[in-house]
Amino acid sequence: GAGVSQSPSNKVTEKGKDVELRCDPISGHTALYWYRQSLGQGLEFLIYFQGNSAPDKSGLPSDRFSAERTGGSVSTLTIQRTQQEDSAVYLCASSLFPGQGNEQYFGPGTRLTVT
Amino acid sequence: SQQGEEDPQALSIQEGENATMNCSYKTSINNLQWYRQNSGRGLVHLILIRSNEREKHSGRLRVTLDTSKKSSSLLITASRAADTASYFCATVTGTYKYIFGTGTRLKVLA
Repeated sequence: GAGVSQSPSNKVTEKGKDVELRCDPISGHTALYWYRQSLGQGLEFLIYFQGNSAPDKSGLPSDRFSAERTGGSVSTLTIQRTQQEDSAVYLCASSLFPGQGNEQYFGPGTRLTVT
Repeated sequence: SQQGEEDPQALSIQEGENATMNCSYKTSINNLQWYRQNSGRGLVHLILIRSNEREKHSGRLRVTLDTSKKSSSLLITASRAADTASYFCATVTGTYKYIFGTGTRLKVLA
């Protein structure tokens, strides 16, 4: 079956512009996560969705970042007024259910470059 | 800050040798998972060990967990060039929180 997909795979934008990153999780997966990975670093948690609700937005770096999920499926991460420090790979992951013992399935990521 | 810290940060070995990488963490966990990442893109799940388990095997992978020391190790036996990747541990706390470490970059030389 299809895995987690993300689009676009690469995005170059000018400082100050808004960007939207899309994630299509595996069908039937109720939990969806967004992470950010800067060059050579580990994964930084951004936000977690259970269904369409986001019980944990604690990782969003600033109010320029927002995310939504519709129909318990597709999620969009929006970054407004992008800054150079937003440049990173944004990874989306889904799992069947949240919680113990569930592995996460990752998409290939979106590489965002802010010039 | 990341809970998991992998050690070493980078490791270079010859094909056929074993590779060992370690992960330390700070808080109580439900389980610990290891992931592999190729070329800075998506991660692939390798193995999961629960907090009440001490050792687990999967093919050429062996994972140990010492909850008293809050540490885990991943051993890859008889390494291959295709094992070249970054390896991350992820601790799972509560019902959904996955916290990833900083990773070990493994290079296997043919």
